[in-house]
Amino acid sequence: DGGITQSPKYLFRKEGQNVTLSCEQNLNHDAMYWYRQDPGQGLRLIYYSQIVNDFQKGDIAEGYSVSREKKESFPLTVTSAQKNPTAFYLCASSLRQVGSPLHFGNGTRLTVT
Amino acid sequence: KQEVTQIPAALSVPEGENLVLNCSFTDSAIYNLQWFRQDPGKGLTSLLLIQSSQREQTSGRLNASLDKSSGRSTLYIAASQPGDSATYLCAAALSGSARQLTFGSGTQLTVLP
Repeated sequence: DGGITQSPKYLFRKEGQNVTLSCEQNLNHDAMYWYRQDPGQGLRLIYYSQIVNDFQKGDIAEGYSVSREKKESFPLTVTSAQKNPTAFYLCASSLRQVGSPLHFGNGTRLTVT
Repeated sequence: KQEVTQIPAALSVPEGENLVLNCSFTDSAIYNLQWFRQDPGKGLTSLLLIQSSQREQTSGRLNASLDKSSGRSTLYIAASQPGDSATYLCAAALSGSARQLTFGSGTQLTVLP
């Protein structure tokens, strides 16, 4: 089955630690995205990538970093510089940029204490 | 900057009822509009994507319409079922760029058996 896999589903970290969230897709999509979802708010774009070895900042990139070394993988690192990291993180992909439907993974819920 | 509003935030209906979910956007020069479904603790599932040149899209019991001049899209669900209970989100794209895709905060639908 083609799809997007995010792992782990739940992640707990102490304040001051960096943490990396995994996102893998086997849809052969060119574009991949990371969103953050907070209660009662719409999704906010963190980073996106249109092709391998290229990525762009979204609206809330501060305190986050990404890499795109392979077409199918787009990991997100939440660094200690992110002031409010506790949130639900969603990875998505599309065949090309926003003209085609977005496909989402099942998310990672990160709790930082 | 595009703003996307979904009112009401929550809606309960009895099983079998036809219903309409609303999505309003402030900039009528949109590129496309997508409707998504989100189950609790899960990612988003794309339901329908309407391009700016289209007036509506249909899939099964779902029909989405787009009226750019009034800045409004609706999602019509026919003969609602308890399995339709979820949060429904719309997202309006101003261009093909991920930086210009704006999500609403969703309408939480409960269909009562």
